[in-house]
Amino acid sequence: GENVEQHPSTLSVQEGDSAVIKCTYSDSASNYFPWYKQELGKGPQLIIDIRSNVGEKKDQRIAVTLNKTAKHFSLHITETQPEDSAVYFCAASRNGGNEKLTFGTGTRLTIIP
Amino acid sequence: DAGVTQSPTHLIKTRGQQVTLRCSPKSGHDTVSWYQQALGQGPQFIFQYYEEEERQRGNFPDRFSGHQFPNYSSELNVNALLLGDSALYLCASSSGTVFYEQYFGPGTRLTVT
Repeated sequence: GENVEQHPSTLSVQEGDSAVIKCTYSDSASNYFPWYKQELGKGPQLIIDIRSNVGEKKDQRIAVTLNKTAKHFSLHITETQPEDSAVYFCAASRNGGNEKLTFGTGTRLTIIP
Repeated sequence: DAGVTQSPTHLIKTRGQQVTLRCSPKSGHDTVSWYQQALGQGPQFIFQYYEEEERQRGNFPDRFSGHQFPNYSSELNVNALLLGDSALYLCASSSGTVFYEQYFGPGTRLTVT
């Protein structure tokens, strides 16, 4: 089955700097890669996703890149703000996400004011 | 437009008891997936329901069962509770024709004593 590895497990950055979180996946049939932000006591919130037919997607301060050959994808957050502090999860799925999501182990991002 | 809702918010049960958790999907969504999230870990897929049928199942024992109703809402039942079943139980809903974004509810925190 699919295996998703996520690094780093913790990340601290100064406010205004950029943060990068990386994930690798094992199943070459996976074609949908969402990123979720989870704040304390809440469910995961979908913040951005990328599909296997594109290499990069941006939404304001957030971007995701995908390298299908190397089977890895990354989340980039620029101009970080205190409200970006949370746990971030990457995930992978077949069939455009119409099957189970396999999650990474999470990255705790702390923005230092 | 209401997002995914789950009830109850918190639940405390004794080992050996049975529990039922409920989920109402986001408006317009017809597919419901259930995940278990242990403390400090990523969500683990339990099963997915579509058209009132279990469409896909993860590596969880038969003690975990579910149901989907004609209005697309869903229930997760766990029998013979074990201490290890203590976790945050998340429901995600989705719909689509090509790609299926999964949106999560706030979860139900189950504690087994």
